[in-house]
Amino acid sequence: SQQGEEDPQALSIQEGENATMNCSYKTSINNLQWYRQNSGRGLVHLILIRSNEREKHSGRLRVTLDTSKKSSSLLITASRAADTASYFCVASDSWGKLQFGAGTQVVVTP
Amino acid sequence: DSGVTQTPKHLITATGQRVTLRCSPRSGDLSVYWYQQSLDQGLQFLIQYYNGEERAKGNILERFSAQQFPDLHSELNLSSLELGDSALYFCASSVGGRTVTDTQYFGPGTRLTVL
Repeated sequence: SQQGEEDPQALSIQEGENATMNCSYKTSINNLQWYRQNSGRGLVHLILIRSNEREKHSGRLRVTLDTSKKSSSLLITASRAADTASYFCVASDSWGKLQFGAGTQVVVTP
Repeated sequence: DSGVTQTPKHLITATGQRVTLRCSPRSGDLSVYWYQQSLDQGLQFLIQYYNGEERAKGNILERFSAQQFPDLHSELNLSSLELGDSALYFCASSVGGRTVTDTQYFGPGTRLTVL
């Protein structure tokens, strides 16, 4: 079963708008990673945030982590049509076991 | 292109059969991970190998087995196939063996259809 839960399940926005998605997890983690998956293809690593970090930036991506609430958010600023994909959060516990969220489907329309 | 290759791309077989999926990691990566992605279960971690040895085990069925060979490529064997085994199977690789810190690079996947 999935440990992570993502919200919303789907998101439709226009180019230039920001997209925000949230992820919650149940167990204590060492780090949390976000991946992107284009339809039917492999996952692409976006960003990793460690449990002792609160915020991290990478280009147009901003990730926050709140270990007290066991939640993380991914913000994509100034979205582009090419950002259309599913986004997954992946929590890794101290044993190295990975739990994937169900994913948020993001559609960016021109 | 992540550098991880998987073969075959598509596989169609019947219930009760056995199939083998193959993965070649990125050059220099010692860890290989296998995942199953299905519509009802989402993405599930199956198993990890590091330098030829099993490192971590996830939700892998007893009918499934994997191994990593001396040249570091890996095979996932699925036997006594059931309809519910139809899914995308991904392989990923990373440099080290610690999932807690290593970035994983995913292959394009093998789509298995069991009829």
